[in-house]
Amino acid sequence: DVKVTQSSRYLVKRTGEKVFLECVQDMDHENMFWYRQDPGLGLRLIYFSYDVKMKEKGDIPEGYSVSREKKERFSLILESASTNQTSMYLCASSPSRQTSSGNTIYFGEGSWLTVV
Amino acid sequence: SQQGEEDPQALSIQEGENATMNCSYKTSINNLQWYRQNSGRGLVHLILIRSNEREKHSGRLRVTLDTSKKSSSLLITASRAADTASYFCATSVSNYKLTFGKGTLLTVNP
Repeated sequence: DVKVTQSSRYLVKRTGEKVFLECVQDMDHENMFWYRQDPGLGLRLIYFSYDVKMKEKGDIPEGYSVSREKKERFSLILESASTNQTSMYLCASSPSRQTSSGNTIYFGEGSWLTVV
Repeated sequence: SQQGEEDPQALSIQEGENATMNCSYKTSINNLQWYRQNSGRGLVHLILIRSNEREKHSGRLRVTLDTSKKSSSLLITASRAADTASYFCATSVSNYKLTFGKGTLLTVNP
């Protein structure tokens, strides 16, 4: 089974802190994603990466950056956390963009971040 | 930008009944997928239907796709309490990026 592991399930950080959310997948997937999920807003894509060191902005990249130094690991960075970044963050991965069988995404269990 | 929109936002039924959820989207798609999310957990893929398919089955799940109306439906037959979850449709316009709707919260009462 595909496994996407998010390092922290629950975090509480202070406003202005730098926050790292780590994600590792074990299926050699090329694509990795970071979403945030908020009540009434559904899932919104923050950033995605289709290869090592490659990244593209999603729908809401402001206030976030990402790092993908190794294929299996995709990190989300909040440079200076703010209270409006309190949310559930979901990491996901999927096989190569060239797949002909669709692009099923595999999700981690989520990280609940509270910024106080 | 939200591509898919699920309807209804919430649905409450009794065990044994069928549950139907709908999804509408705006632009042409490669495929449409349905995902399930138990409370506080990650999403799990349920089923994928390609743009050239009209209907697909998987166990108690039946998905239809009408590209002329830009809509899809997910039917869960003989619902169980364990089916209680949020259900999301996700549309793909490229081969690697999915856009999710806001979800339907299904409650199945024992």
